[in-house]
Amino acid sequence: QVQLVESGGGVVQPGRSLRLSCAAAGYTFTSHGMHWVRQAPGKGLEWVAVISYDGSNTYYADSVKGRFTISRDNSKNTLYLQMNSLRAEDTAVYYCAKNQGGWDVTTSGSDYWGQGTLVTVSS
Amino acid sequence: DIRLTQSPSFLSASVGDRVTITCRASQGISNYLAWYQQKPGKAPKLLIYAASTLQGGVPSRFSGSGSGTEFILTISGLQPEDFATYYCQHLNSPIYSFGQGTKLEIK
Repeated sequence: QVQLVESGGGVVQPGRSLRLSCAAAGYTFTSHGMHWVRQAPGKGLEWVAVISYDGSNTYYADSVKGRFTISRDNSKNTLYLQMNSLRAEDTAVYYCAKNQGGWDVTTSGSDYWGQGTLVTVSS
Repeated sequence: DIRLTQSPSFLSASVGDRVTITCRASQGISNYLAWYQQKPGKAPKLLIYAASTLQGGVPSRFSGSGSGTEFILTISGLQPEDFATYYCQHLNSPIYSFGQGTKLEIK
């Protein structure tokens, strides 16, 4: 049974940093790319970042480029999102999501999602 | 960057109705499109990918069509559990943007 469990959310002051984690289980983590997607309170979904199955390729939304870093530790079956220089507009629930397609295939959508972790940026 | 625009943003319908939601891309994206359903407080659920391929376990009353710049999600015979918010997503790298969402409410 596939499980994705996010952690690391909380309240942080503007300008500070936070690292989110997503622990994966129940499938071959090393074979699938992963995404971070966020949702501000009462708003729609916003794609944040993607990382390839082996970590060799990463892409970011313009809104977080240069401030956020997606990474993975395939030996620990864990995905990360390092968030620096946080702003009030980064306040959201952050979801990790698994690519359904294996290897570099991203065109089959995200078939499993975590429950989300809330990040609140406020002084 | 590719922008996805959904219409309508809000939709009111009754159980048993057939409804359609449109997603328009700012440039051609072939069939690299997915549809998700999200209920309050829950993670999104994949319904359709590659514009028209039904995800396993999703009821056949959901269907998708389109290619290029215009895509349609159709729900035939609305059930009470279908009242939710629906999102389209671009599926080809490097940016995987979402549409702004369509909230489907009970009339």
